[in-house]
This record gives sequence, structure tokens and C-alpha cells, in this order.
Amino acid sequence: LAKTTQPISMDSYEGQEVNITCSHNNIATNDYITWYQQFPSQGPRFIIQGYKTKVTNEVASLFIPADRKSSTLSLPRVSLSDTAVYYCLVGDKINNAGNMLTFGGGTRLMVKP
Amino acid sequence: DAGVIQSPRHEVTEMGQEVTLRCKPISGHDYLFWYRQTMMRGLELLIYFNNNVPIDDSGMPEDRFSAKMPNASFSTLKIQPSEPRDSAVYFCASSFRDGQNTEAFFGQGTRLTVV
Repeated sequence: LAKTTQPISMDSYEGQEVNITCSHNNIATNDYITWYQQFPSQGPRFIIQGYKTKVTNEVASLFIPADRKSSTLSLPRVSLSDTAVYYCLVGDKINNAGNMLTFGGGTRLMVKP
Repeated sequence: DAGVIQSPRHEVTEMGQEVTLRCKPISGHDYLFWYRQTMMRGLELLIYFNNNVPIDDSGMPEDRFSAKMPNASFSTLKIQPSEPRDSAVYFCASSFRDGQNTEAFFGQGTRLTVV
């Protein structure tokens, strides 16, 4: 089971780009990297998923280097409403559903005005 | 679809009582997950089902916890007897896995307080 390590917390200001890095040194060949966002009093919400290189959607970008031992979630021009906890998950999305959805501690992002 | 629906949203019960939490997954989803979230332990995966069959219940903390999925549209998580340390937010999530899409959709959670 690939374990992930993220910063416990980060602060930013409105309009800035935020990059949250996740380490997963023991990532396996079949593992994918997924990020979820959780607001207070709500369940987590899927943000983005990738296997290698770069993935971009309307919300964020995910950068994965060639060795795949880390990944960086990039949030462009954050607003106060992006204040949340961000979770990095690593797992085999084909063969092990539980592995795919095992959450670590997450990064608490605080966006200030 | 209305999303994953959990009930009740809040539950306060006395120690020793039986508690039943309910979940209605998104129609067509074949995986259902139960989680517990506390400040101390974060989000813990308790059990998950595939096509109504329990696949992994290694996260269930004790025999006092049990989960069932009698059909594709309903699941329950039962705690009997409940204890104060069971106080937490319990989330249900569902997903449809087709080899490409594995996004899980979470309900709003049930906040359980055992006094």
C-alpha cells in the first residue's frame, strides 16, 4: 500500500497560485494518483486524477514527474472559497477499490483575503 | 440524480443504545464505501461493498459495528451497543468503476454523538 506524505497545512492569499506537493515513494506500477477536496461539514469531493506527466481540468492541474514518486496539485488564482482540506490518494484503480480510496491526513489550505 | 443520500444527518444517542445509519447510493453505482471521520484519526475506511457484497471489512473497529447492503439502492451501518468513543461523522460514498472512471461521490455525512 503506497503511503502518502503531505504538508499538514498551507496559507495563501486570494489570487495566488497554490501548489501542494504529495510524496509517494513506494508508488506501484498500476497505481494512480487522485486528489480530493473537503470543505467543513461536507464529504470529500473528487478534484483530479492522473498517472503520469500532466493532467488539467477546469479546477486544477496535476503534475507528475517521470519517477512518479511525488505529485503536485496546482490551484490557479485561489479564492477564499478554496479554503479546504486537500487529500492525495494513491492506489490501483483497477484491482483494488479500497486501496484507491484510503485517505491520509490531508493538507489544510487557508486562503486569506 | 440527487447524489448519495445519508440519514439521519445528526444523531444523538445514549451509551449502550443501538444506532443505525442509512445510505442510498447513486443509482447505477456498483461500489459503496463507509467511512468514519474524527479529528484524531482522520478519514478511516470502515468497509466497502461491490455489487452488494462486502469485499473488505478490515477497517471495522469492533464487532459492535456491522454493515449490510440488502440491495443496490440501500446500505446500513449499525453500532450496537454504542459507546462515547464512537462519536464521529460517518460518511457513505459510492462509485462506478469501469476501468477508467473511479471517482467516488460522498454523501453529506451523519454526525453521531454518543453521550
